Amino acid sequence: EDQVTQSPEALRLQEGESSSLNCSYTVSGLRGLFWYRQDPGKGPEFLFTLYSAGEEKEKERLKATLTKKESFLHITAPKPEDSATYLCAVNPPSNTGKLIFGQGTTLQVKP
Amino acid sequence: DAEITQSPRHKITETGRQVTLACHQTWNHNNMFWYRQDLGHGLRLIHYSYGVHDTNKGEVSDGYSVSRSNTEDLPLTLESAASSQTSVYFCASSRDSADEQFFGPGTRLTVL
Repeated sequence: EDQVTQSPEALRLQEGESSSLNCSYTVSGLRGLFWYRQDPGKGPEFLFTLYSAGEEKEKERLKATLTKKESFLHITAPKPEDSATYLCAVNPPSNTGKLIFGQGTTLQVKP
Repeated sequence: DAEITQSPRHKITETGRQVTLACHQTWNHNNMFWYRQDLGHGLRLIHYSYGVHDTNKGEVSDGYSVSRSNTEDLPLTLESAASSQTSVYFCASSRDSADEQFFGPGTRLTVL
């Protein structure tokens, strides 16, 4: 069964303390891996799409990377406004657009 | 700017009533999706559509229906609301099946 697992479930960082969030998947031949940010009471906000192993995307303090079995979202020198839940989703080989979502990692950055 | 909107943002209804949640996108996207988000389950796909007059069942479609009469709208109907359908509902759209999906702000539905 295709699965997406995110770890850790929750992460607390001090402002400026860099770390990484993990998204591992069992899907073979995925057609894209997506990272989203979700703030409380809001819809997921698109961050990145990665299509092939070795690909990297950056936006401000965030960098997403992809291997054949997992993706990392690296957060460099985070600020309190980076506090949110980060969701990972994969598009399976069927390419139907029926994304498989992970449970998310809730990040809290303390000043 | 193109956007995707949902209405109402909050809804309280009673068991057995029919409820319709609206979703409208101005991206001119072919694909539209409805999800529900619950603690412990994450985002789960209810129904989706690849274009006008096309609808498909997702992972948790029982008790829900959709219709697609134009590109912009995909309303979600709960035929007879049940307490188990209390949830936050998100609509999303994408240009193509390989592309990222853009989400609306969500509707919080409470069924009493």
